[in-house]
Amino acid sequence: EVQLVQSGAEVKQPGEAVTMSCKASGYTFTNYWIGWVRQMPGKGLEWMGIINPGDSDTRYSPTFQGRVSISADKSSTTAYLQWNTLWAPDTAMFYCVRHRHGSGSFDYWGQGTLVTVSS
Amino acid sequence: EIVLTQSPATLSVSPGERVSLSCRASQSVSSNLAWYQQKPGQAPRLLIYDASTRATGIPARFSGSGSGTEFTLTISSLQSEDFAVYYCQQYNNWPPLTFGGGAKVEIK
Repeated sequence: EVQLVQSGAEVKQPGEAVTMSCKASGYTFTNYWIGWVRQMPGKGLEWMGIINPGDSDTRYSPTFQGRVSISADKSSTTAYLQWNTLWAPDTAMFYCVRHRHGSGSFDYWGQGTLVTVSS
Repeated sequence: EIVLTQSPATLSVSPGERVSLSCRASQSVSSNLAWYQQKPGQAPRLLIYDASTRATGIPARFSGSGSGTEFTLTISSLQSEDFAVYYCQQYNNWPPLTFGGGAKVEIK
């Protein structure tokens, strides 16, 4: 069974960084791209970026370029999203997603990691 | 960047009714369009990909149609578990991948 299990909720102060994880199981990790999607409270979905776990090639949305970093560890079949400097408006739910093979659509979603930024 | 516009933003319907949700692209995305359903407090799930192919385990009452710039998600007979927010997403020209703003289907 394919599963993407994300790390738990985080509470951060403005100016801090956060790294969240996405543990993949039930399939060959290096064969499918992993992406990240943001959902701010009460809002829609925003694609942030993608990584090919096979070669660590990454692509970012212009909206998030320079603010986040996506990485992957093949040995632990885990993808990571690092947000470098958080501010209060950055409070959001973050989902990791598995891309359908060779496609830009997502067939599996993690349960989400809520990041709350508050002083 | 391709902009997807969904309409209506909110739809009030009764169980058993037929529902059609629209997604319009700012330029052609061929058939590279997906639909997702999101219920409160849950992650989205894939319903339709390649404009008209149902994902694994999705009931036959869900269908997708269209190509180019005009797409429709149809629910033939709305069930109680179908009240949710629905998003379209294009993957023809990326990065970036883009989503529509969402369409909420609520109980009338």
